[in-house]
Amino acid sequence: GESVGLHLPTLSVQEGDNSIINCAYSNSASDYFIWYKQESGKGPQFIIDIRSNMDKRQGQRVTVLLNKTVKHLSLQIAATQPGDSAVYFCAENTGGFKTIFGAGTRLFVKA
Amino acid sequence: DAMVIQNPRYQVTQFGKPVTLSCSQTLNHNVMYWYQQKSSQAPKLLFHYYDKDFNNEADTPDNFQSRRPNTSFCFLDIRSPGLGDAAMYLCATSRVGQTGEAFFGQGTRLTVV
Repeated sequence: GESVGLHLPTLSVQEGDNSIINCAYSNSASDYFIWYKQESGKGPQFIIDIRSNMDKRQGQRVTVLLNKTVKHLSLQIAATQPGDSAVYFCAENTGGFKTIFGAGTRLFVKA
Repeated sequence: DAMVIQNPRYQVTQFGKPVTLSCSQTLNHNVMYWYQQKSSQAPKLLFHYYDKDFNNEADTPDNFQSRRPNTSFCFLDIRSPGLGDAAMYLCATSRVGQTGEAFFGQGTRLTVV
């Protein structure tokens, strides 16, 4: 069946350090992988996505890496700031309208 | 600036009493979604509309219904809320061809008493 999961439920990093959030997926037919950030009391916010024909994509302070061989996805946040504290969800989409969310990783940024 | 607006932010309803949650969008996106998110869990897709075409997820209970009278508005109706339906309900929109990037509202937190 389809599933998207995360290796770590929580991640604590020092302000200014880089953060790496990992995600495993199981559906090799997924076409799109997306990272969302959800702050407390708010809806998820799109961060970055990557198509299955790519292995790396960079945004502002964020980089997503996709390893289709081992069905692994990661989100790297450079110079982590207190405002990055949130729950991060990876999600996958098979090209239709169904986006499956993973379980989420809570990122704590220590000042 | 809000592009996907959900009302109300907090809703308290009685066990078994029908309740409607509202969502509106200013993005003119043709796809609208309703997700259910329970505490410390991932959002779970209930159903979506592609224009007026309604698509229900196989495991969405019959207790949950939706209406989309026009492009801008979408409603979630819970016919007989149970205690297990207490959750955050999230509305989202996307453009066809860019279904990976969804725009979410702030959510409505539903409490069932």
